[in-house]
Amino acid sequence: DLPMTQSPSSLSASVGDRVTITCRASQNINNYLNWYQQKPGKAPKLLIYAASSLQSGVPSRFSGSGSGTDFTLTISSLQPEDFATYYCQQSYSTPYTFGQGTKLEV
Amino acid sequence: QVQLQESGPGLVKPSQTLSLTCTVSGGSISSGGYYWSWVRQHPGKGLEWIGHIYSSGTTYYNPSLRSRLTMSVDTSKNQFTLTLSSVTAADTAVYFCAREVTVIVVERRLDVWGQGTTVTVSS
Repeated sequence: DLPMTQSPSSLSASVGDRVTITCRASQNINNYLNWYQQKPGKAPKLLIYAASSLQSGVPSRFSGSGSGTDFTLTISSLQPEDFATYYCQQSYSTPYTFGQGTKLEV
Repeated sequence: QVQLQESGPGLVKPSQTLSLTCTVSGGSISSGGYYWSWVRQHPGKGLEWIGHIYSSGTTYYNPSLRSRLTMSVDTSKNQFTLTLSSVTAADTAVYFCAREVTVIVVERRLDVWGQGTTVTVSS
């Protein structure tokens, strides 16, 4: 397996803040990195794929960057609906693996 | 647009077999460029990728579950299924089905998800 490590595990922020979440792969995964948002009781929602491509319909305040082993998800100006848990996922090799999640709280 | 819906028993006894079905609507499961995946989430925990299947029947299973896992696809019903044998309390989780886009390898992603179904293993 290819472990993925996210930091921080939880993050307190306010509406309007700029927020960055980090994901690190245990080996080089090129750009095979996706980001998901999950709200309580709901399925994950794809935000970013291939490290930096914005999924259709996702607000432009979400952006992704990185390559190799280190990646970031940035929310440029937090909105009330952005408080959720965020997961990174590598699609470089099977079995696909997810980070442990980052809970974004008020 | 494509929608996925999981179905199956919410309660399974230990040592028995869990079977879940995912029904695809708004598109054909036989469309090229997609794998069909299962992901689970233990209570209060993160996400675990279980495996995927192509419409041809080609599968890949997570090695952690491989000995107990079978996936199949029924293109006539536009459904795919997960079967997990010899379940224990550790298999209690929310199970999601999802579509995996694979047209461009570097852009593989799970872009459409079912709402999830809760499975409890208990006697």
